[in-house]
Amino acid sequence: AQSVTQLDSHVSVSEGTPVLLRCNYSSSYSPSLFWYVQHPNKGLQLLLKYTSAATLVKGINGFEAEFKKSETSFHLTKPSAHMSDAAEYFCVVSDAGNMLTFGGGTRLMVKP
Amino acid sequence: SQTIHQWPATLVQPVGSPLSLECTVEGTSNPNLYWYRQAAGRGLQLLFYSVGIGQISSEVPQNLSASRPQDRQFILSSKKLLLSDSGFYLCAWSVSWRNTEAFFGQGTRLTVV
Repeated sequence: AQSVTQLDSHVSVSEGTPVLLRCNYSSSYSPSLFWYVQHPNKGLQLLLKYTSAATLVKGINGFEAEFKKSETSFHLTKPSAHMSDAAEYFCVVSDAGNMLTFGGGTRLMVKP
Repeated sequence: SQTIHQWPATLVQPVGSPLSLECTVEGTSNPNLYWYRQAAGRGLQLLFYSVGIGQISSEVPQNLSASRPQDRQFILSSKKLLLSDSGFYLCAWSVSWRNTEAFFGQGTRLTVV
């Protein structure tokens, strides 16, 4: 069985400061991992994905995430937050023969 | 390129009325299709998935049902809506079964009154 835990339900940062959204996963196989972003009343947009290639993955809008197998983590980071980054973020895991499993989400708030 | 269409965007329905939400995918063949629900302040819950025409798997027991009458069409239905059916419904598709991302529609905000 696989599971995803997003360690913070809410994160608040000031504009221009770094963003860190934490995600830990559990999987029986070598997983694929994804981060999605959801703006209010919108669908989910894929930010980035890890599929067993480079452990540091770069995504859209300046986001990146690092796959750390020893820590079973896939934290999402961005060097400098922008007001438009305010949204809900979901960490997702997919392993062999299984469905996507979503974390509970982290709401990112960006203060001016 | 592939696109996914989901409609309507918003819907207000009385308790006990029927429901039909439709989702179609363009630009790909034999996609895996999914219906998710997102209740207020909660994460995504997988309701149904389909790997082919007429093949529907249900993840949670409820008064909703899904059908896949065509390869790229996925319909979510209910005969009688409950208040607890209110939420944000998302359709999604993926290319293959394993280790691949899903692509989401814009969602339907359903309010049962």
